[in-house]
Amino acid sequence: QKEVEQNSGPLSVPEGAIASLNCTYSDRGSQSFFWYRQYSGKSPELIMFIYSNGDKEDGRFTAQLNKASQYVSLLIRDSQPSDSATYLCAVNRHNFNKFYFGSGTKLNVKP
Amino acid sequence: DAGVIQSPRHEVTEMGQEVTLRCKPISGHNSLFWYRQTMMRGLELLIYFNNNVPIDDSGMPEDRFSAKMPNASFSTLKIQPSEPRDSAVYFCASSLISNQPQHFGDGTRLSIL
Repeated sequence: QKEVEQNSGPLSVPEGAIASLNCTYSDRGSQSFFWYRQYSGKSPELIMFIYSNGDKEDGRFTAQLNKASQYVSLLIRDSQPSDSATYLCAVNRHNFNKFYFGSGTKLNVKP
Repeated sequence: DAGVIQSPRHEVTEMGQEVTLRCKPISGHNSLFWYRQTMMRGLELLIYFNNNVPIDDSGMPEDRFSAKMPNASFSTLKIQPSEPRDSAVYFCASSLISNQPQHFGDGTRLSIL
């Protein structure tokens, strides 16, 4: 079992729709959760981070964390073609210095 | 502010040669990470430094790989001898402290012929 699981996609949504990206993790002790966006041929770029259960909103992006279900998601409202990229979920367990990235979900936003 | 700076951006070399990748973290960041990314294995953490001290090198694939951080503003990842299966994009990232968001450099695209 992988430490962080993501559906590889591609996830296709029309422009203006809500894109929902999901991630599950196996280590119940995980404490920090991150979403990165990676365009083809580029480096990962931080989009959101969340530490507590619930929702965290930043502009068109909302991160949702449910530690009981070991589940973290990223919602992108009013999706734009420029949002087309691979989205990586990452988790961190502080006291064991463990960092894991998922394999990423490819998002296609169609004009 | 300058981000994480990596050099070289591209490296093409022959099997058996020594390869040295370099990284300058963001000033003031205390944690530095080396990753390798391939299509098959995704993004893998190779080694992580905290305050210039290696904390976890369990991701380093073989003894051919070594990493150093002689001071807070410089780190190297060395492969000796290099093999074709080492071909990948190598990223360096830094964070203020270990549990904070990591900021990535542009990466080094390494090709071993």
